[in-house]
Amino acid sequence: GNSVTQMEGPVTLSEEAFLTINCTYTATGYPSLFWYVQYPGEGLQLLLKATKADDKGSNKGFEATYRKETTSFHLEKGSVQVSDSAVYFCALSESYSGGGADGLTFGKGTHLIIQP
Amino acid sequence: EADIYQTPRYLVIGTGKKITLECSQTMGHDKMYWYQQDPGMELHLIHYSYGVNSTEKGDLSSESTVSRIRTEHFPLTLESARPSHTSQYLCASSESEVEETQYFGPGTRLLVL
Repeated sequence: GNSVTQMEGPVTLSEEAFLTINCTYTATGYPSLFWYVQYPGEGLQLLLKATKADDKGSNKGFEATYRKETTSFHLEKGSVQVSDSAVYFCALSESYSGGGADGLTFGKGTHLIIQP
Repeated sequence: EADIYQTPRYLVIGTGKKITLECSQTMGHDKMYWYQQDPGMELHLIHYSYGVNSTEKGDLSSESTVSRIRTEHFPLTLESARPSHTSQYLCASSESEVEETQYFGPGTRLLVL
């Protein structure tokens, strides 16, 4: 079956530090890959996505590149801010022929804490 | 901006009560989902729907039930709540089988005493 593995948290960084959150996946076909962010007390928001190999998703200074050869989709940001503190989820969605995607497969989430 | 709503946002109830968590979306999306998020943050799919009159069970077994009588509405019901049902419940929707991006509501945080 499909699975997503992401680095365990919490990850604590100082403001303006470089961020990497690792994500690797296992899938039988050609999934789409996503990063979602969850701020305290809220639901999940789509941060970025990539639908095929070598695609780069980007949003709000965050980037992730779909690497089929290493089955990875690591999230990066060059200079984090206190407002980036949140929980980040890596996810995949695999559409099967003859039917639609049956929900997202999520990683366990990484809690990011940015200190001023 | 996604237009998907959940009520109530917070609910504290006693054991044995029947509850319904509401989820509505105004985007006309065919597919809708319910996830349960445990205190360790992990999300589990418990129900989904392809459209009106379609409901399917997800990866995690749940004692809850769902219905889909209208496209925009996907309520989740617990006939007899127990402390083990304490969790956050997240509703989501997506446009179609091709567009896989899911849009999430703000969640309902349930505490069963």
